[in-house]
Amino acid sequence: KAGVTQTPRYLIKTRGQQVTLSCSPISGHRSVSWYQQTPGQGLQFLFEYFSETQRNKGNFPGRFSGRQFSNSRSEMNVSTLELGDSALYLCASSLAGERSGELFFGEGSRLTVL
Amino acid sequence: AQSVTQPDIHITVSEGASLELRCNYSYGATPYLFWYVQSPGQGLQLLLKYFSGDTLVQGIKGFEAEFKRSQSSFNLRKPSVHWSDAAEYFCAVGDLFSGGYNKLIFGAGTRLAVHP
Repeated sequence: KAGVTQTPRYLIKTRGQQVTLSCSPISGHRSVSWYQQTPGQGLQFLFEYFSETQRNKGNFPGRFSGRQFSNSRSEMNVSTLELGDSALYLCASSLAGERSGELFFGEGSRLTVL
Repeated sequence: AQSVTQPDIHITVSEGASLELRCNYSYGATPYLFWYVQSPGQGLQLLLKYFSGDTLVQGIKGFEAEFKRSQSSFNLRKPSVHWSDAAEYFCAVGDLFSGGYNKLIFGAGTRLAVHP
């Protein structure tokens, strides 16, 4: 069974640009969550999608957005990039209806903003 | 506000020695608690979780954790560490107040080094 797949794995952008990250969850998983990991702030929750609806949102500015498609794949977008957006962005999926907190994480997309 | 504290940033142990990683939480109700492990260049993997019931929880890779409500702690233990256990360990609490079973509040992590 394939795990959570995130693309791209690495990318470099400059300030002011925008970026889109993609996440394919484990087959059968309908919940997709996104986390930002930085050395200074650690792991922080961005948002969760379930059945194409945002179910929860963390304390991030509106520049951070996401969506989920009917096949449960998810994308997140960061507009007007800032240096502080440099981070590892982790996607995690979990079973539909299983409010277990058992998240299966991908390997992440490492974003560098210059 | 809900929070998780991992007091130890780095811990070094010898292979074969016992291990205890500390975790304290601040939460206004019965917490849902988790331990995740992250190897270099990898995502996070769930080691174990506590929802209710027996306060001693068994996980994968020989790890266990004990929930102590009176101390607001959920410490992770392993009786004998292997070199492959070197990684970063994160304690987390489920932020149920905001309805988020999958919204986790993570501690800062403890980086474990294992000496041969």
